[in-house]
Amino acid sequence: GESVGLHLPTLSVQEGDNSIINCAYSNSASDYFIWYKQESGKGPQFIIDIRSNMDKRQGQRVTVLLNKTVKHLSLQIAATQPGDSAVYFCAENPAGTALIFGKGTTLSVSS
Amino acid sequence: DTEVTQTPKHLVMGMTNKKSLKCEQHMGHRAMYWYKQKAKKPPELMFVYSYEKLSINESVPSRFSPECPNSSLLNLHLHALQPEDSALYLCASSPTAGGSYEQYFGPGTRLTVT
Repeated sequence: GESVGLHLPTLSVQEGDNSIINCAYSNSASDYFIWYKQESGKGPQFIIDIRSNMDKRQGQRVTVLLNKTVKHLSLQIAATQPGDSAVYFCAENPAGTALIFGKGTTLSVSS
Repeated sequence: DTEVTQTPKHLVMGMTNKKSLKCEQHMGHRAMYWYKQKAKKPPELMFVYSYEKLSINESVPSRFSPECPNSSLLNLHLHALQPEDSALYLCASSPTAGGSYEQYFGPGTRLTVT
């Protein structure tokens, strides 16, 4: 079936750098996308979402970009901190059905 | 209160045991979900309840039996599990099941089947 995938399983950055985590989706019917952060031993935590009628959405230190032409989603984290170390999942919601999660990217931040 | 709570945090059970996982939310959400997550993998949807009725069962084996006693509670009854069922079981809720809404996740129950 169709699913959301991430380009890189791991990403290592230095503290203070900007991080970019990418995600490709294949379901053109998807109209809602979410980024979740999951720390070890915890449930996924909402970071930011975006609807298909938008190209960009900003939060505190995070920005999500949506390129519907190439079915690509990215999460940008500014001034990455050690506390940002976690697994990041993108998820899509094809036309209001249940969320489909991507494979996940493990972000490691070294100080 | 934007919290989803799950009990217990950890559970070890034998293959002949019967146990239950519990989930609770007081956000007035009318959709609740069970996910299974294996190590280093994304959450996999198991069940969706919408307005206290089961709306999605992702071909989950009958040894997993969900129950939604009321709009705030969700249970997952476990019986005759296999070692490969060991995983983190996550509960989530959202305002409705059909709309584009964030799902709020609980911390999960770490299940080990021996």
